[in-house]
Amino acid sequence: KAGVTQTPRYLIKTRGQQVTLSCSPISGHRSVSWYQQTPGQGLQFLFEYFSETQRNKGNFPGRFSGRQFSNSRSEMNVSTLELGDSALYLCASSLDFQGNNEQFFGPGTRLTVL
Amino acid sequence: AQTVTQSQPEMSVQEAETVTLSCTYDTSESDYYLFWYKQPPSRQMILVIRQEAYKQQNATENRFSVNFQKAAKSFSLKISDSQLGDAAMYFCAYRQGGSEKLVFGKGTKLTVNP
Repeated sequence: KAGVTQTPRYLIKTRGQQVTLSCSPISGHRSVSWYQQTPGQGLQFLFEYFSETQRNKGNFPGRFSGRQFSNSRSEMNVSTLELGDSALYLCASSLDFQGNNEQFFGPGTRLTVL
Repeated sequence: AQTVTQSQPEMSVQEAETVTLSCTYDTSESDYYLFWYKQPPSRQMILVIRQEAYKQQNATENRFSVNFQKAAKSFSLKISDSQLGDAAMYFCAYRQGGSEKLVFGKGTKLTVNP
């Protein structure tokens, strides 16, 4: 069974640009969550999606947005990039949000903003 | 808001010895789960062990076990017979029931010395 895949793995952008990151969950998983990982702030929750609906959102500015498609694949978008957006963006998938399902993480997309 | 605190930024252990990583959390909820995740250098985050708050028995997974003290809101990880492959960042995480949102601690970098 293939794991969680994230594309692209590495990305370099300049300030003011926008970026779209993609996450494909494990087959059969319907829940996808996104996290930002930086040395200073650690791992911070961005969004949680289930069946194309955003169930939860972290404390990030409106420049950060996301969506989930009918096949459970998810994308997140960051507009008007700032230097501080440089981070490893991780996505995790699970069967659903009920009970104690294990969340599986992808390898991440490393975004560098110049 | 729930918080997770890992007071040990770095720990080291000799191969084959035992090490304990500390974690405390704060919540007013009764339905929640606790996790330890491992993130090796430049590799994916993987689940090490999890504990349901309603279970009194401490979780065990091979060489990994936890000491869950619910009243004290403490959740430490014990690694027995440490191996070189255990070297990684270890994150303690909290998840409220009915949500996929993980709240992470800042992490503990574990070094295993041969």
